[in-house]
Amino acid sequence: SAVISQKPSRDICQRGTSLTIQCQVDSQVTMMFWYRQQPGQSLTLIATANQGSEATYESGFVIDKFPISRPNLTFSTLTVSNMSPEDSSIYLCSVERGHDTSTDTQYFGPGTRLTVL
Amino acid sequence: AQKITQTQPGMFVQEKEAVTLDCTYDTSDPSYGLFWYKQPSSGEMIFLIYQGSYDQQNATEGRYSLNFQKARKSANLVISASQLGDSAMYFCAMREGSGGFKTIFGAGTRLFVKA
Repeated sequence: SAVISQKPSRDICQRGTSLTIQCQVDSQVTMMFWYRQQPGQSLTLIATANQGSEATYESGFVIDKFPISRPNLTFSTLTVSNMSPEDSSIYLCSVERGHDTSTDTQYFGPGTRLTVL
Repeated sequence: AQKITQTQPGMFVQEKEAVTLDCTYDTSDPSYGLFWYKQPSSGEMIFLIYQGSYDQQNATEGRYSLNFQKARKSANLVISASQLGDSAMYFCAMREGSGGFKTIFGAGTRLFVKA
């Protein structure tokens, strides 16, 4: 399994500001994903971070609100823009090798706990 | 459409006893994978166990085993000899072979281990 780190681990932000979350993997991976977990809820996929091209967003998530970068096979960033209290969540980065859609396992970073005041 | 159902919002188990966490799923894709993750209060998601739809035997990983009943579309997680450190949220997840790499997660079950 890959070793995944996220920065920051937690933050408290004011509404209207933006926060960029970094995800670093210790080895090259094909697939990187960003998830949101609202308080007391399950995980919801925000987008797939594609290396060298625009991210693929899920329904209900847009690039203007959650811009994503993936400059190489080991690093990605997620920005939460123009934040409101509804954005208070845990944001999780996950990775997988990308060899087989049904058998590959996704591994997760430690998460970023965001509180918006 | 994919669907994962975890009907137990919370479960209690006595330390050293076994506990079963329920998960049912719905898919028409013959190729799929089922996963269980543990999420402690720290928030990280820890992969526990995987079961493929074509696997003939139930998956096991240490104290974790997956009771896979394909006809009933259930994939229950069994934790043997519960420990206090097992107290956490547990999520069942599924990915269809034809669905790309999108993984769908259930609502989760919170497990409390009592001393």
